[in-house]
Amino acid sequence: DQQVKQNSPSLSVQEGRISILNCDYTNSMFDYFLWYKKYPAEGPTFLISISSIKDKNEDGRFTVFLNKSAKHLSLHIVPSQPGDSAVYFCAARETGNQFYFGTGTSLTVIP
Amino acid sequence: KAGVTQTPRYLIKTRGQQVTLSCSPISGHRSVSWYQQTPGQGLQFLFEYFSETQRNKGNFPGRFSGRQFSNSRSEMNVSTLELGDSALYLCASSLASGGPVEQFFGPGTRLTVL
Repeated sequence: DQQVKQNSPSLSVQEGRISILNCDYTNSMFDYFLWYKKYPAEGPTFLISISSIKDKNEDGRFTVFLNKSAKHLSLHIVPSQPGDSAVYFCAARETGNQFYFGTGTSLTVIP
Repeated sequence: KAGVTQTPRYLIKTRGQQVTLSCSPISGHRSVSWYQQTPGQGLQFLFEYFSETQRNKGNFPGRFSGRQFSNSRSEMNVSTLELGDSALYLCASSLASGGPVEQFFGPGTRLTVL
């Protein structure tokens, strides 16, 4: 049972534009969320997190939005750069339990 | 500070054999989690160890086991390997277990079962 879903396997965006990656979850008890970026042959790299007491968190070009009522979070990358091309994973957990990961979205930023 | 290290990076085994993978967490991190990544399946949680105790366990058969040592280093073992065990095995460490703390991943061990 996939508790965290990333329904878009891939996304292409022009350099300089905004990239929006989406993630849906089913467990309303999830209270901490992460985004990771993964390049081929490397482990995932932590990008940004958000706890359920917030609805937005920013770090430079990366902003994560959390909509608890819709059980939806999104990652915005502005402006997108070619080096952002990678697979992006969202993850969620309920305090005390394991992280559940989505299947990933492959982002391609076109120069 | 050194990152999470995993050894070996690549491994080829045959069906029926067993394998042991090793993970050294970031210094000071006491929680180690293991994940299996296969194409199209994302990261599937195997288990988490904190202070040498298993805290959480995913839905994998008993052929998959792990342990953590007093220095927080962790090993996972897969016995009686099957072709479907071919995957990237990732280890992640964090300062604490279960709370709002991020996990930091190692580069993974690519296991191929022939």
